[in-house]
Amino acid sequence: AQTVTQSQPEMSVQEAETVTLSCTYDTSESDYYLFWYKQPPSRQMILVIRQEAYKQQNATENRFSVNFQKAAKSFSLKISDSQLGDAAMYFCAYRSPNTGNQFYFGTGTSLTVIP
Amino acid sequence: NAGVTQTPKFRILKIGQSMTLQCTQDMNHNYMYWYRQDPGMGLKLIYYSVGAGITDKGEVPNGYNVSRSTTEDFPLRLELAAPSQTSVYFCASGGRERWNEQFFGPGTRLTVL
Repeated sequence: AQTVTQSQPEMSVQEAETVTLSCTYDTSESDYYLFWYKQPPSRQMILVIRQEAYKQQNATENRFSVNFQKAAKSFSLKISDSQLGDAAMYFCAYRSPNTGNQFYFGTGTSLTVIP
Repeated sequence: NAGVTQTPKFRILKIGQSMTLQCTQDMNHNYMYWYRQDPGMGLKLIYYSVGAGITDKGEVPNGYNVSRSTTEDFPLRLELAAPSQTSVYFCASGGRERWNEQFFGPGTRLTVL
């Protein structure tokens, strides 16, 4: 099974600053998708951004962007101009096309935004 | 569209009791999933289904059962509740394409005493 590792259990950032959350994964597959999900205190999981492994261009969604390094199996999330509403748990996820299209999640990074 | 709905939102069970967590989606998704989330941990896959009548075990299936008689519904059954099953349970659904994300329900917080 694929493994997804988020090595930063907790991170903090000043409002309006930039923060980068790390994610690495282990796989022998070549074609897959990666996702970042946000889980605010309400517990509702919300998709932040997705990246296809075959695309070299890094995905961007407004203030959220990724740094995808396929060879290094790294998929970090950059949040620019951090806002108070960005405070949440962030989960990195890997979607396998082979093992029943299962999603594999990391253990999450808790992000605090300091006013 | 309501998306993915789960009931109940909260439940307290005694050891040995049984219950069913309900999950319904109205997006006509083929794929449905059940996860559990323990404090400070990520999501662990319990069971998943790729279509009506088809289910398969995930990483932590012991103590649970599922069925998928319709596209919309994917209930999770706990037969003999144990304290180790105290967790937050999430149901999710998604399309079959590789780029499709999962849509999550609001979760059920279950405590077994």
